[in-house]
Amino acid sequence: GAGVSQSPRYKVAKRGQDVALRCDPISGHVSLFWYQQALGQGPEFLTYFQNEAQLDKSGLPSDRFFAERPEGSVSTLKIQRTQQEDSAVYLCASSPGSWGNTIYFGEGSWLTVV
Amino acid sequence: KNQVEQSPQSLIILEGKNCTLQCNYTVSPFSNLRWYKQDTGRGPVSLTIMTFSENTKSNGRYTATLDADTKQSSLHITASQLSDSASYICVVEGSQGNLIFGKGTKLSVKP
Repeated sequence: GAGVSQSPRYKVAKRGQDVALRCDPISGHVSLFWYQQALGQGPEFLTYFQNEAQLDKSGLPSDRFFAERPEGSVSTLKIQRTQQEDSAVYLCASSPGSWGNTIYFGEGSWLTVV
Repeated sequence: KNQVEQSPQSLIILEGKNCTLQCNYTVSPFSNLRWYKQDTGRGPVSLTIMTFSENTKSNGRYTATLDADTKQSSLHITASQLSDSASYICVVEGSQGNLIFGKGTKLSVKP
C-alpha cells in the first residue's frame, strides 16, 4: 500500500486479555516507531526500530508491553494482561531513515479495555 | 526536562478568518521542529519541517515560523476553511533523533 497500515483499527479487550497490534510500514522504510496517544493528548513515544533492531524501547510503560519487527518490515506491538489504563490509540509511524526525515503515521489502532 | 508546550489548548474561529497557534519548547540540543495536522480519528499528517536555520516555511495556507533563540514557533493559518478543523501538533526533534510531541491545539472552524 501507499501508506502505513495498522490493524485492527478498533479493538475491545477484556481486562487481563492479551492483544496484538500490527503495523505494515511503507515499503522500504528503515525506521519504525510506535506511539501511544491518550484522548486529548499528543502522542507519547513507546519504541523505535531501525530495520529489525529495536534501538530504543525506553517509552514502553511496563514489561507487559513488547514490540518486535523480526524481518525489518512488519511490526507487532503486544500488550499482555491488558489493564484499563492501556486504553488509548496506538500509532505506528515509519520514515525512510532517521533524523530529519518526514515521518508518516498510520491511522492508529484504537484499544479499549473494559 | 525536554518539553513542548502549545497554546491555546483549543480555538474556535469563523470560516475565512486567520489564526495563529503557538509552540514553545525547551528541547536541547535541537535538530528540527515539525508541525502536524491530526484530523479526529486519523493519524497525524506532516505540514512542515524546519531546521534551526530556517525562520519561516509555508505549505499552502499554512505558514510556520521559528525563532531558535527564544525557542518559539508559530503556525499561521490564512483564510481558514471548514476542513482546517483538526488538532495541530508541534513536534521537536532532538539531536538524538528523539521526537517530543506537544499536546496539540484543537482548532474548530465554524461556518
